[in-house]
Parts: sequence; C-alpha cells; structure tokens
Amino acid sequence: QSVLTQPPSVSGAPGQRVTISCTGSSSNIGGGYDVHWYQQLPGTAPRLLIYGNVNRPSGVPDRFSGSKSGTSASLAITGLQAEDEADYYCQSSDSSLRRVVFGGGTKVTVL
Amino acid sequence: QVQLVESGGGLVKPGGSLRLSCTASGFTFSDSYMSWVRQTPGKGLEWVAFISGSSSYTEYAEYVESVKGRFSISRDNAKNSLFLHMNSLTVEDTAVYYCVTGQLFFEDWGQGSLVTVSS
Repeated sequence: QSVLTQPPSVSGAPGQRVTISCTGSSSNIGGGYDVHWYQQLPGTAPRLLIYGNVNRPSGVPDRFSGSKSGTSASLAITGLQAEDEADYYCQSSDSSLRRVVFGGGTKVTVL
Repeated sequence: QVQLVESGGGLVKPGGSLRLSCTASGFTFSDSYMSWVRQTPGKGLEWVAFISGSSSYTEYAEYVESVKGRFSISRDNAKNSLFLHMNSLTVEDTAVYYCVTGQLFFEDWGQGSLVTVSS
C-alpha cells in the first residue's frame, strides 16, 4: 500500500488529453511538500518529468504539465502520443514518516 | 551530460552481504546529495538512503526504516563514487537498485543494478 495513491491505469487515444491523479494526506502533499513526477518507459530507468509541482526539466515536452491542490496533485498529458505509453509515478515527502514517498504508479496506454 | 553507472549487483543468499557501487560523471559529484532508490514489481519505487554533499558542514546519511542497521551508504568524492553496503540481506531486499542524484527529488538516474536474494 503506497502512501500516495494513483490510479493503476489510464488510457486515451492519440491526440487526447489524459490526467493522472496523486492523492496524499496532510502529512505530505497537504502539508505543503512539493510533488514530483517520473516517467518510466518499458525496460528503462525512471526519468524526472516534473519537479516542484509544475516545473519541467529541460528536454521534457510542454505536453506534460503538473498541478497541485490541497492533498492532491495531477499530471496532465495533452496531445497524447504513442511514445507516451509508460508508467508514471508521483513522489513527495512525508513529515510523519520523515522520508520521501512514492505513489504506486499509473500505466498509461495509448489506444 | 550526467552519467551514473551502477555495478555490484547479483545473486546472494539470505543473510549474505553485497556492495553496490555507482560511478558518476558529468557534474560536480562532491557537491551533490546522492541517494539510492530501489524498485520491486510488488512494491514499486522505494527510497532507500541518501548521503549529503560537501555543502554540509558534516557528512550525514538517512535510511528507510526497513534497512536501518543493515545498510550503509558512503561516498568517495576523489573517485566520484557512491556505495551501498548491504548486510543481513532478506528476500524482501530483492530489487533493482538505482543510484540517483538528489535528496528531495531525483533528477538523474543510473541504469539500475539487480539484487536477487534467494536460497
């Protein structure tokens, strides 16, 4: 059971917009801790996609965007492409556990 | 560009020990906080440990509760290397271990090193 809750899977047709939710609590996301997102393509290591809730590292397409509100955060992918098919993980910090915590991951399928 | 290359993984029996190494290049290693993150099919991604960079007055490290007293993270700044010493391994430690930059979030990742604990 992950501290941060993500839907196991989401899907969409090419060109569509999909969103992935990440739900936490008052000891992590709701406590003001930043949320970060990672993309893991099949057979590869995760890569940082969004940091500090809304920031994209260089090289990440602006089709990817992050947001945060209350005890939840979201990753949106607009103009979905076949190459976006991957697992996506959210991550934050938790004051009760005193450590970094991850979501369980969401598999994005491009129909 | 940043490169992180792990080595040292393999098959080990329960109760055994293993040392993972990570060789870094493309950034100022000594200044950087470094961490180990592991991934299992069942439990997903899990932060394991971090060690501070030279910007800290003294070097310090933190561990996830499940590895405290068994794992030790260390670094050799002269060799741009990060280590994870793992003792008293259990089957629950079976995972791919990633060397990553950062402490609160993880900007760069190595390719991972598979550790399998099995009799």
